[in-house]
Amino acid sequence: GAVVSQHPSWVICKSGTSVKIECRSLDFQATTMFWYRQFPKQSLMLMATSNEGSKATYEQGVEKDKFLINHASLTLSTLTVTSAHPEDSSFYICSARAARQGSQPQHFGDGTRLSIL
Amino acid sequence: RKEVEQDPGPFNVPEGATVAFNCTYSNSASQSFFWYRQDCRKEPKLLMSVYSSGNEDGRFTAQLNRASQYISLLIRDSKLSDSATYLCVVNRNTGGFKTIFGAGTRLFVKA
Repeated sequence: GAVVSQHPSWVICKSGTSVKIECRSLDFQATTMFWYRQFPKQSLMLMATSNEGSKATYEQGVEKDKFLINHASLTLSTLTVTSAHPEDSSFYICSARAARQGSQPQHFGDGTRLSIL
Repeated sequence: RKEVEQDPGPFNVPEGATVAFNCTYSNSASQSFFWYRQDCRKEPKLLMSVYSSGNEDGRFTAQLNRASQYISLLIRDSKLSDSATYLCVVNRNTGGFKTIFGAGTRLFVKA
């Protein structure tokens, strides 16, 4: 089955640090990847849709200068949380969908638990 | 009203019980449907796709009713390991594909 790898799985760092999270589709090409955030006991919240070779599409209320997304290849998207603060602490999850298969399900990475001190 | 609605639960059932989850969606342009399960502090994992003809995978049966815009998941002979949150997920194509997640239904299976 489709495999999505996310790295790192756990980050603890000081306030003001920028944190980069990688999302890779290991066995399929993903023209579209998605970045979600989930707070404890809450639903997944879509932050942005990452499109290979073009700018990401951000959901309303998500600061694009705060959450930088780069999707440089069909198998890799990165999310950089710039100048992270304690309120950015959350569970960040990426997902990918096979290229040009919009009706197909998304496959999720393992998630990154970010804790900002 | 949310585009995809689920009963949040929690459903507390004994081992061996049969439990059914329901989900409704409001956008008739919705095209494909899925159930995911999410364990505490883990990522969602695809459980099964849902088709109008109904589909079964072991103890799990999913059903789609397009006319009523209703999706169901039936779990038979519940196991302790079935305890999780079950997410109803819908893909639609209106000005580009979009995936809508339900808020999830929490299930606790007890010995």
